[in-house]
Amino acid sequence: DAGVIQSPRHEVTEMGQEVTLRCKPISGHNSLFWYRQTMMRGLELLIYFNNNVPIDDSGMPEDRFSAKMPNASFSTLKIQPSEPRDSAVYFCASSPTGKSGNTIYFGEGSWLTVV
Amino acid sequence: DAKTTQPNSMESNEEEPVHLPCNHSTISGTDYIHWYRQLPSQGPEYVIHGLTSNVNNRMASLAIAEDRKSSTLILHRATLRDAAVYYCIPYYYGGATNKLIFGTGTLLAVQP
Repeated sequence: DAGVIQSPRHEVTEMGQEVTLRCKPISGHNSLFWYRQTMMRGLELLIYFNNNVPIDDSGMPEDRFSAKMPNASFSTLKIQPSEPRDSAVYFCASSPTGKSGNTIYFGEGSWLTVV
Repeated sequence: DAKTTQPNSMESNEEEPVHLPCNHSTISGTDYIHWYRQLPSQGPEYVIHGLTSNVNNRMASLAIAEDRKSSTLILHRATLRDAAVYYCIPYYYGGATNKLIFGTGTLLAVQP
């Protein structure tokens, strides 16, 4: 079975540019998560969706960040405008249901560098 | 959320057992203890979880203290591929939300 698929795997962009990260969750999974990982802050939960609906976006750092899930098989995380401090690895993850305790499956990450 | 305390780093030799400790003294009675690990340049992956009894699976064993204030992840024979950051996460099971909150974890180095 295909796991969580993220694209792009690596992106280098200039400050001020728009960045769009994409995610395809595991087929049949109802919950989707976006995490960010940096050396300073570790792994942070940015937002998660249940059945395509955003449930908790309290981790989204600021208005420059937005996430959408237009259907069960696709989600985007957008940063506009990007800043150097947004450089991080962004992980998308999915789980079978929204109930706590379900195993969460992570993608391989999108490595973002903003110069 | 329950707080956890894990060593920042540990070392092991290949083919030897590894015991990774975790203190979670404020865990509630309904929290399971989940362990995830993150291999270099990869996303985290599930390892094992338990509530009160010791648990075994193909990857590892989980020993939970009787008072549930601590647990130990046991890798019976460490391999080079087990070098990773290991996260211990108290996790309420069956609730309406499925938020997995990571701490700083333990960086395990495995020497050949």
